[in-house]
This record gives sequence, C-alpha cells and structure tokens, in this order.
Amino acid sequence: SQQGEEDPQALSIQEGENATMNCSYKTSINNLQWYRQNSGRGLVHLILIRSNEREKHSGRLRVTLDTSKKSSSLLITASRAADTASYFCATAVNRGSTLGRLYFGRGTQLTVWP
Amino acid sequence: EAGVAQSPRYKIIEKRQSVAFWCNPISGHATLYWYQQILGQGPKLLIQFQNNGVVDDSQLPKDRFSAERLKGVDSTLKIQPAKLEDSAVYLCASSSSGPGETQYFGPGTRLLVL
Repeated sequence: SQQGEEDPQALSIQEGENATMNCSYKTSINNLQWYRQNSGRGLVHLILIRSNEREKHSGRLRVTLDTSKKSSSLLITASRAADTASYFCATAVNRGSTLGRLYFGRGTQLTVWP
Repeated sequence: EAGVAQSPRYKIIEKRQSVAFWCNPISGHATLYWYQQILGQGPKLLIQFQNNGVVDDSQLPKDRFSAERLKGVDSTLKIQPAKLEDSAVYLCASSSSGPGETQYFGPGTRLLVL
C-alpha cells in the first residue's frame, strides 16, 4: 500500500503538553499533508510540506519530513482541549508527469484532557 | 467564501435500496473528489473529476456506484443497490488545482445500511 501510516493510533495528554504524531510511507512523494478531523465532521487541512522541504511551522504546529526515512512528524505545542480530534497524514504520490491521488493513513486519535 | 456543501448529512436505508448524495464544491474549484471513510479508517478516494471529466475512478465499485459532475460544478454520487458494507461516511472535497494540492472537505454524509 502507498498509504501513510500514523503512529500512535491513539494519544492521550493533558492540556499544555506537547503532542507528537508520526507518519511513515512507502513510495516517493511529491508532498505530504496533515489534516484534522473533529468527530462527525469533514477534514480540515493543517499543513503541506513538499518533498524538498525538511521542516515547516504554522502557529503551534511543526511538521518535519525525512524523505530518506520516508517519515514525517507533526508536533502540536501547548495543546488545548480543542485540539482533541483525529489527525491524518496524506501523501501526494508522483505518477508520470502529473500528480497522483492523495493517500490517507488510518489516523491518530488525539485526546487532550483539561 | 462558502465551503464545500453536502447533502443529506445522514441517511439510513435498507440493503438493496438505492441512495444518492449531492456535493457543491467551492466556487471556481476545478477538481472534485468523492471519498469513502469507513469507521476507524482514513478516507479512500472513490472518484476524481477535473471539471466534468473523470480523472481517476480506479477505486470505484462500478457495478453499484456511479457518479457524475454535470457542467463541471455540482456532483452526485449514487449507490444502487446498497450493501451492508457500504455503511460509511461519504466525503466530498474540492481543490483549485490538482490532487497533490490542498483539498477542502465538506462535512460528509453518514450512511447506514441496515
């Protein structure tokens, strides 16, 4: 499968702590994206990191990409109860001269306790 | 800017019945996607449209699923006849360019087949 696979499957922390989620994939990618999904809702795009980038920041989010290890991590600093959600990584895979589909992993369920 | 709209939000049907879902993408977005998300899993692409043409339907069970995007705007996804294993959330997403870029998701339609 070309899917990204997130680790851990579930993560439970206290407010104010940092949360780290990892994603591993199998094939060469054009970019990797992280999405958040609150219960019963659609997915919300968080951040996109391209294959030639190593690190990207957006507010309390920090994403790293290691193409040699085919892995990425998402760090949420100073977590809040509102960060409770499922987090998915999605890989955009090269296919010929055009970009192919997005492959989603199974997600990490993050619970942040007040 | 209005987001991706989907209807209905919930649908309960019996197996062998038919059902249709509707999606209105973000205005101006050329690319539209339908995903199936089974409980506990990440979204799986069913079909991708570029304007009103199908780009990728390799994962669409064509014996029972069909989709169309008339005039390159709204889209409908139909299941006929439904099976128990079709119970899932059906997500519509759109993007301004290709599938490797940021996708904007609707709230989804939760389907339960009894």
